[in-house]
Amino acid sequence: EDQVTQSPEALRLQEGESSSLNCSYTVSGLRGLFWYRQDPGKGPEFLFTLYSAGEEKEKERLKATLTKKESFLHITAPKPEDSATYLCAVGRGSNYKLTFGKGTLLTVNP
Amino acid sequence: DVKVTQSSRYLVKRTGEKVFLECVQDMDHENMFWYRQDPGLGLRLIYFSYDVKMKEKGDIPEGYSVSREKKERFSLILESASTNQTSMYLCASSEGINSPLHFGNGTRLTVT
Repeated sequence: EDQVTQSPEALRLQEGESSSLNCSYTVSGLRGLFWYRQDPGKGPEFLFTLYSAGEEKEKERLKATLTKKESFLHITAPKPEDSATYLCAVGRGSNYKLTFGKGTLLTVNP
Repeated sequence: DVKVTQSSRYLVKRTGEKVFLECVQDMDHENMFWYRQDPGLGLRLIYFSYDVKMKEKGDIPEGYSVSREKKERFSLILESASTNQTSMYLCASSEGINSPLHFGNGTRLTVT
């Protein structure tokens, strides 16, 4: 059974204080690892897809990395508008289904 | 930009009612999905469709059915609503198996 565990459950940062969110996964035949951002009252918004170990992707203050067992979402010099729940999901082989983690609630204080 | 529209943001229904949740996407995507999101449980897949004629059960299909009569529209049906179906329901679409999911803003359903 595919498993995705995100840590920490919640993270509170000061503006400008860089940190990382973790997504550990167990899946046989990873076809992709997906990061999403979810604001309160809205659906998740796609951020990145990573396909193989060693891959990295960046977008503004966010950088996602992937190993064979986990992915990190690094947030550099965060701003209050980065506050959201960040979700990680994995897809397996030719299966359309994504398995989601429970998310990390990030709060960035000004 | 892909737009996935869910017809209702909030719904309140009574136990035993038949409930229809509607979802429309405007990007000609082949694949459409229904998830529910609950605190502490995350997102769980109810049903998905990778072709107008093809529907498959996800992880928690019990008590639900789906309809996809047109490519752009995917409906979730609660045959006889129960209080344990109170939840946030999220519809999503994608172009291909490795394409990202594009989500609607959800329907918060309360069953009393």
